[in-house]
Amino acid sequence: AQSVAQPEDQVNVAEGNPLTVKCTYSVSGNPYLFWYVQYPNRGLQFLLKYITGDNLVKGSYGFEAEFNKSQTSFHLKKPSALVSDSALYFCAVRATYSGNTPLVFGKGTRLSVIA
Amino acid sequence: GAVVSQHPSWVICKSGTSVKIECRSLDFQATTMFWYRQFPKQSLMLMATSNEGSKATYEQGVEKDKFLINHASLTLSTLTVTSAHPEDSSFYICSARGGGSRNNEQFFGPGTRLTVL
Repeated sequence: AQSVAQPEDQVNVAEGNPLTVKCTYSVSGNPYLFWYVQYPNRGLQFLLKYITGDNLVKGSYGFEAEFNKSQTSFHLKKPSALVSDSALYFCAVRATYSGNTPLVFGKGTRLSVIA
Repeated sequence: GAVVSQHPSWVICKSGTSVKIECRSLDFQATTMFWYRQFPKQSLMLMATSNEGSKATYEQGVEKDKFLINHASLTLSTLTVTSAHPEDSSFYICSARGGGSRNNEQFFGPGTRLTVL
């Protein structure tokens, strides 16, 4: 079975400061890892993904994430937070062996960037 | 990127009525579609997985007779909430996955907010 843990319900950061949203995963075999952002009453917007290759993945809006196999983590980061980054962030994982395997989501982390 | 649409974006209905939500992949063929449900301030919970032309596979605890899923074509899946009750009020999000070069991508619709009075 695959699962994702986002240990923080809420992350608060001052505008201009770096931000980190944590994610750890559990999956059989090699993982596909994703980050999505959700604004109020909206669907999910794709930020970035890790499939293979370089452990540091760069995505939309200046976000990046680092895949760490030994720690089974895929933390989302941004060097300088913006107030407009305030939203709900979801980490998701999918195992590679089945085409019908759906994305499994973490519970989400609400990011609040304070001006 | 690929576009997935949902209709309606929001719906209010009376208890006991049925509501149909459509999910369309607009610029690609979706071999597999997923339906998720999201309660306020909670994560997306997978309800079912459907492949075109075959019966949907429901997750444990999801009533297949209450949440009817039809995946009649490679671009359309529908979710019908039958005999809706207030506890069915939620945000329903569909997702579509295509084949070929899109095989690793799962694209999401904007969601449908259902309110049952």
